[in-house]
Amino acid sequence: DAGVTQSPTHLIKTRGQQVTLRCSPISGHKSVSWYQQVLGQGPQFIFQYYEKEERGRGNFPDRFSARQFPNYSSELNVNALLLGDSALYLCASRGKGAGDEKLFFGSGTQLSVL
Amino acid sequence: DAKTTQPPSMDCAEGRAANLPCNHSTISGNEYVYWYRQIHSQGPQYIIHGLKNNETNEMASLIITEDRKSSTLILPHATLRDTAVYYCIVRPAYNGGNMLTFGGGTRLMVKP
Repeated sequence: DAGVTQSPTHLIKTRGQQVTLRCSPISGHKSVSWYQQVLGQGPQFIFQYYEKEERGRGNFPDRFSARQFPNYSSELNVNALLLGDSALYLCASRGKGAGDEKLFFGSGTQLSVL
Repeated sequence: DAKTTQPPSMDCAEGRAANLPCNHSTISGNEYVYWYRQIHSQGPQYIIHGLKNNETNEMASLIITEDRKSSTLILPHATLRDTAVYYCIVRPAYNGGNMLTFGGGTRLMVKP
């Protein structure tokens, strides 16, 4: 079975531009979350979506937004990019069954803002 | 969520047991201890979790002290492929959410 897939794997943007990152969860998983990982630090929670609704948001500015589609895939959008947005963006999915307490992460999208 | 403290780095000889400590002295009764690891250029990978009893799976063992203020992740026979950053995370049970609070983790280097 395919794991969590993210696209693109690498992306280079300039300051002020907008970017869209994509994520497909594991088949059957309805919950998706996004994390930002700056070099040398642990991942930081950005958003969680379940059944197309936002269920949690971390301490990130309104420039960050996301949505989830009927097939449970998700997009993360970042507007007005800053140099500090350069990071690895990780998507994770989780099942809803009893005991499905663990997250499955994709390999991420490496975003560089110049 | 309770805060965790881990040593920034550790070395281990290949084939030996790797014992990774974690302090979570402010853990509350309904919080689980989770361990994830992140191999270079990959997303974090779930290893194991527990509440108060020791746990073992195909990847590792988790030993939680009786007062639950600390725990140790044990990789019984470390291999070079176990070189990674290991994160100890405390998370409320049944919070229904995907928010994990990652700290700095422990960078484990397994050496030949």
